[in-house]
Amino acid sequence: DQQVKQNSPSLSVQEGRISILNCDYTNSMFDYFLWYKKYPAEGPTFLISISSIKDKNEDGRFTVFLNKSAKHLSLHIVPSQPGDSAVYFCAASETGTYKYIFGTGTRLKVLA
Amino acid sequence: KAGVTQTPRYLIKTRGQQVTLSCSPISGHRSVSWYQQTPGQGLQFLFEYFSETQRNKGNFPGRFSGRQFSNSRSEMNVSTLELGDSALYLCASSPLGDYGYTFGSGTRLTVV
Repeated sequence: DQQVKQNSPSLSVQEGRISILNCDYTNSMFDYFLWYKKYPAEGPTFLISISSIKDKNEDGRFTVFLNKSAKHLSLHIVPSQPGDSAVYFCAASETGTYKYIFGTGTRLKVLA
Repeated sequence: KAGVTQTPRYLIKTRGQQVTLSCSPISGHRSVSWYQQTPGQGLQFLFEYFSETQRNKGNFPGRFSGRQFSNSRSEMNVSTLELGDSALYLCASSPLGDYGYTFGSGTRLTVV
């Protein structure tokens, strides 16, 4: 049972344009969400997070949106840069469980 | 400061053998989690330790075990290895385990 889903395995975007990565979840108890970026042969790197009490969090070029009623979150990268090419994972957690459920990842390719 | 250190980086084992992987968290971090990453499966939660106590575990068979030492370093052990255990094993640390983990680069285990 995949509680966190990233339905797009890959995404290609032109440099300078917006990249939108999507993530859906099924467990309404999740109250904390994160995005990680992963390059080959490296561990995932934390990008940005959002608590369920918010619907938007912004950090530089990265913005995460949370729609609790739809159980959907998205990561916007503006403007996209070639160095953003990586696999992006969303993860969700319920406070107190100390356990993150990850999606299967979306491979983003930013074309120069 | 030093990041999360995992040793060894690469490991080749034969079916039926056992293996021990090591993780040194960021100094001051008391929570250590382990994840298994396989192609198409994303990151699967194995277990989380805090102050030498396992607080949560994922849905893996009993062949997968772990422990944490008083200095917060952690080990995971897999006994009676199967071909399907071939994966990237990632360790992550966090100060208390609630928000945002920092991942190591992982140990790539190949079972032949």
